[in-house]
Amino acid sequence: RKEVEQDPGPFNVPEGATVAFNCTYSNSASQSFFWYRQDCRKEPKLLMSVYSSGNEDGRFTAQLNRASQYISLLIRDSKLSDSATYLCALPNRDDKIIFGKGTRLHILP
Amino acid sequence: ETGVTQSPTHLIKTRGQQVTLRCSSQSGHNTVSWYQQALGQGPQFIFQYYREEENGRGNFPPRFSGLQFPNYSSELNVNALELDDSALYLCASSSTRGSYEQYFGPGTRLTVT
Repeated sequence: RKEVEQDPGPFNVPEGATVAFNCTYSNSASQSFFWYRQDCRKEPKLLMSVYSSGNEDGRFTAQLNRASQYISLLIRDSKLSDSATYLCALPNRDDKIIFGKGTRLHILP
Repeated sequence: ETGVTQSPTHLIKTRGQQVTLRCSSQSGHNTVSWYQQALGQGPQFIFQYYREEENGRGNFPPRFSGLQFPNYSSELNVNALELDDSALYLCASSSTRGSYEQYFGPGTRLTVT
């Protein structure tokens, strides 16, 4: 299994819909997980940190499944402005933050 | 805004040349990590600096080197540039080496021709 793996997408979703995508990881010892949002040709911006079973911030919910070693990001009532690439990140065995390749999300009007 | 700045924003170099990229970390942050992001890929960890010492390195050759200064700003140097070095180079600062939450600068887009 790759250290961090994400479905590259794109996910094309109508405005107002709910969308979810997963990130699988290999380091079973990881205790911290992060979702970043990256707009085209911009830097990644921290969206959400997850230190336990999950986290919720408005329309965004992250859930951790330790048994299956994946973390998901759910976006409810999607907006056009949610269109971006979503990067999953976590510490590797050397305790350094590594990133997945990202999942592209397109919200359609 | 994160308060992390990088310079220059764009750079064009020729194969074989050397380049230096700069990063100023967020106020109060003493740890800087550098990442390379090729088009369509996630950021790849190059190395991390904590209080002026290298604190971990990814799978990059020795021609990628760095420095951190007493004010915690940092430089990334790349020697003998190759075409595959063309990428967005991102600097991320965190409050300390044990903190995983990182805040990125806007990046330097390097093109090697």
